[in-house]
Amino acid sequence: GENVEQHPSTLSVQEGDSAVIKCTYSDSASNYFPWYKQELGKRPQLIIDIRSNVGEKKDQRIAVTLNKTAKHFSLHITETQPEDSAVYFCAASGDSSASKIIFGSGTRLSIRP
Amino acid sequence: DTAVSQTPKYLVTQMGNDKSIKCEQNLGHDTMYWYKQDSKKFLKIMFSYNNKELIINETVPNRFSPKSPDKAHLNLHINSLELGDSAVYFCASSQGGGYQPQHFGDGTRLSIL
Repeated sequence: GENVEQHPSTLSVQEGDSAVIKCTYSDSASNYFPWYKQELGKRPQLIIDIRSNVGEKKDQRIAVTLNKTAKHFSLHITETQPEDSAVYFCAASGDSSASKIIFGSGTRLSIRP
Repeated sequence: DTAVSQTPKYLVTQMGNDKSIKCEQNLGHDTMYWYKQDSKKFLKIMFSYNNKELIINETVPNRFSPKSPDKAHLNLHINSLELGDSAVYFCASSQGGGYQPQHFGDGTRLSIL
């Protein structure tokens, strides 16, 4: 069945450094790759997404890259700040209304002051 | 204005009881979802409705019965609650299927005694 693997499960970086989270997916029909941030006790919120017709997308300190051939996509956060501490989920979905979104297992990111 | 609201926020009940969680969205979206997030933070889709029609029904015990009276509402009824049902249940909505950004509610924390 469809699967999304996410690594690492936990990540601790010094404030100001960069953080990278990687995901791989199994379903070659996947075309939509969102990233969600979930702060402690809160709901998941979309922070950035990418579709298969582009290889990279950037929004201020956050960027996502996609390699469709290798079925890899990654989240890059630069100049990390304390408020970046959260659990981050990658996900993959096909492009029909019946497509279900499959989430990765999450990465707990901690920013050290 | 809360975009996706679910009630109750907390639900503590005894094993064997029946309970319901309600969800409403005011975003005008045509698709609504129920997700289960367990203690390890895995986020797994349970059901998806598009314009009141069941689109996705994952391998969920038939004790769980979703109902969508209209496209702005999706409720979840759970019969004969078991210890393993303890989790946070998130409602979400999107315009279109899983290939569109999902807007999550604040979650309902269900604890089975």
